[in-house]
Amino acid sequence: NAGVMQNPRHLVRRRGQEARLRCSPMKGHSHVYWYRQLPEEGLKFMVYLQKENIIDESGMPKERFSAEFPKEGPSILRIQQVVRGDSAAYFCASSPDDRYQPQHFGDGTRLSIL
Amino acid sequence: GIQVEQSPPDLILQEGANSTLRCNFSDSVNNLQWFHQNPWGQLINLFYIPSGTKQNGRLSATTVATERYSLLYISSSQTTDSGVYFCAVNTGGFKTIFGAGTRLFVKA
Repeated sequence: NAGVMQNPRHLVRRRGQEARLRCSPMKGHSHVYWYRQLPEEGLKFMVYLQKENIIDESGMPKERFSAEFPKEGPSILRIQQVVRGDSAAYFCASSPDDRYQPQHFGDGTRLSIL
Repeated sequence: GIQVEQSPPDLILQEGANSTLRCNFSDSVNNLQWFHQNPWGQLINLFYIPSGTKQNGRLSATTVATERYSLLYISSSQTTDSGVYFCAVNTGGFKTIFGAGTRLFVKA
């Protein structure tokens, strides 16, 4: 299955630690999107990246959150100094070159903050 | 920005029943997708349907772009159809905007 791969599936961190979430897009896809889903809510856009470039990060919190999509390797969503409110499911999606193509989603990473 | 409203918010069906889920959006869209989030949290692409009608087994969808709504039809519902159904739209920017979802429970 060459779908969008996210790892880990579940991540537990204590307040103040760092969380790193990884996303490998579908083969041939160069556009990656990160979304956050709080409990009982829909998904909210966070950031859109192409290889080595952040295209739109208007949905990212201004502090503690960052994202990258290096030339080699997966896209990384990094959350520094996590707080309880960061507990959520984080989904990654990818699409081919045309952003109007449908987005294909990974299974998500469920982040729990103790 | 664009508003995406889904109805009903919650739906309980007896196995075998049919249902229609609705998605209204407040502006023109370049694409529209329907997703099913199963009880394990996985998001499944159902349809990519910026306009027109598509069918896949017991599911079908219709988008009337000029009137800014889309409908998802589920026929002969099964317990495995339970979960949350999301409509998501893109207006030409980089963001995909999700509705709040319709939570479906199908009883055996």
